Amino acid sequence: KQEVTQIPAALSVPEGENLVLNCSFTDSAIYNLQWFRQDPGKGLTSLLLIQSSQREQTSGRLNASLDKSSGRSTLYIAASQPGDSATYLCAVRSDNTDKLIFGTGTRLQVFP
Amino acid sequence: EAQVTQNPRYLITVTGKKLTVTCSQNMNHEYMSWYRQDPGLGLRQIYYSMNVEVTDKGDVPEGYKVSRKEKRNFPLILESPSPNQTSLYFCASSLSEGESSYEQYFGPGTRLTVT
Repeated sequence: KQEVTQIPAALSVPEGENLVLNCSFTDSAIYNLQWFRQDPGKGLTSLLLIQSSQREQTSGRLNASLDKSSGRSTLYIAASQPGDSATYLCAVRSDNTDKLIFGTGTRLQVFP
Repeated sequence: EAQVTQNPRYLITVTGKKLTVTCSQNMNHEYMSWYRQDPGLGLRQIYYSMNVEVTDKGDVPEGYKVSRKEKRNFPLILESPSPNQTSLYFCASSLSEGESSYEQYFGPGTRLTVT
């Protein structure tokens, strides 16, 4: 059964720092992996989608990498800003199922 | 505007009173899904649908029903709600083919309280 873990659970950094959020999964036979942002009490906003054949995706200050063989993905945020404060979630769709499995998220706070 | 809409956004009800939460998407997506989000447990999939008249259980389907009579709509039905179904519910949709397949788009959420 696929399990998705995110470390750290919470992170507090000063504005301007570059930071890395981690996502690991137990079954490497994945179809894709998606990173989301969730603001308190709000829905999820898709940030980046990485298909299993891809190694990374970039959008603005965000870069997500995927290493299927080691069961890991990282989300890199460059030059963090207070507006980046939110919970970041990763989700995995495995090859042999149509289900989507979420990690429990990393709560990020960027202070001025 | 491409979006997933849910109604109602907030609902307080009593144990045993049947309710339906509606979900609608205007992106012609084949795949639709319902999730619940609880503190410490994260997002868990309740039911999903690959297309019209095709539905399947997620990880926590007990106490819920769904139907997919039209491509754009995927209502979540609680026949006899119980307090342990108090949660934040999200509907999501995606294409099932192509380069962006299974890129999930989420609705704004429905906060349900069952007393």
